Amino acid sequence: ELKVEQNPLFLSMQEGKNYTIYCNYSTTSDRLYWYRQDPGKSLESLFVLLSNGAVKQEGRLMASLDTKARLSTLHITAAVHDLSATYFCAARSNDYKLSFGAGTTVTVRA
Amino acid sequence: GAVVSQHPSRVICKSGTSVKIECRSLDFQATTMFWYRQFPKQSLMLMATSNEGSKATYEQGVEKDKFLINHASLTLSTLTVTSAHPEDSSFYICSASGLTSYNEQFFGPGTRLTVL
Repeated sequence: ELKVEQNPLFLSMQEGKNYTIYCNYSTTSDRLYWYRQDPGKSLESLFVLLSNGAVKQEGRLMASLDTKARLSTLHITAAVHDLSATYFCAARSNDYKLSFGAGTTVTVRA
Repeated sequence: GAVVSQHPSRVICKSGTSVKIECRSLDFQATTMFWYRQFPKQSLMLMATSNEGSKATYEQGVEKDKFLINHASLTLSTLTVTSAHPEDSSFYICSASGLTSYNEQFFGPGTRLTVL
């Protein structure tokens, strides 16, 4: 069974500073996903990472994947208020099912 | 990108009644649809996987007689919560995938179910 651990669970960010969210998964996975969820809303896809060493960036968010360590990171650069949300990582197993991490609730303060 | 819709977006029902939630893939053929449940401040938990024209496969601990899933066409899957109780109140999210979406899952906007 593919298990995904995400940390931290809560992250209080100061505007302008940099932070990282970590996502570990337990067994081989062919794809790692990052999603954003705003309160009361469904998931918004941020990144799909396919291979070892993959790095993707969009605005202040950058995601990377190390398949050997079974680790993905979501790096936030110069946090701004608009980034307040809950972020989930998910790993895909061979049967195309997704296993989600517990989520990281991000609050950005001035 | 692929678009998935859900209907209704919110539903309130009395305890003991049944509620049907629809999940539609609007611009691609979804050979597989997934149903998730999310309780407040928790992660998404997979309830079941349905393949078009086949019986759904339920995750451990999910009652198949309570959560009826039908995937009769390549664009529509339905989840019926039978004899709903307050503990079934949750956010239900579907996702759809198919060969034309490279087996990626595209998520619907979710349905908020409140059982009184």
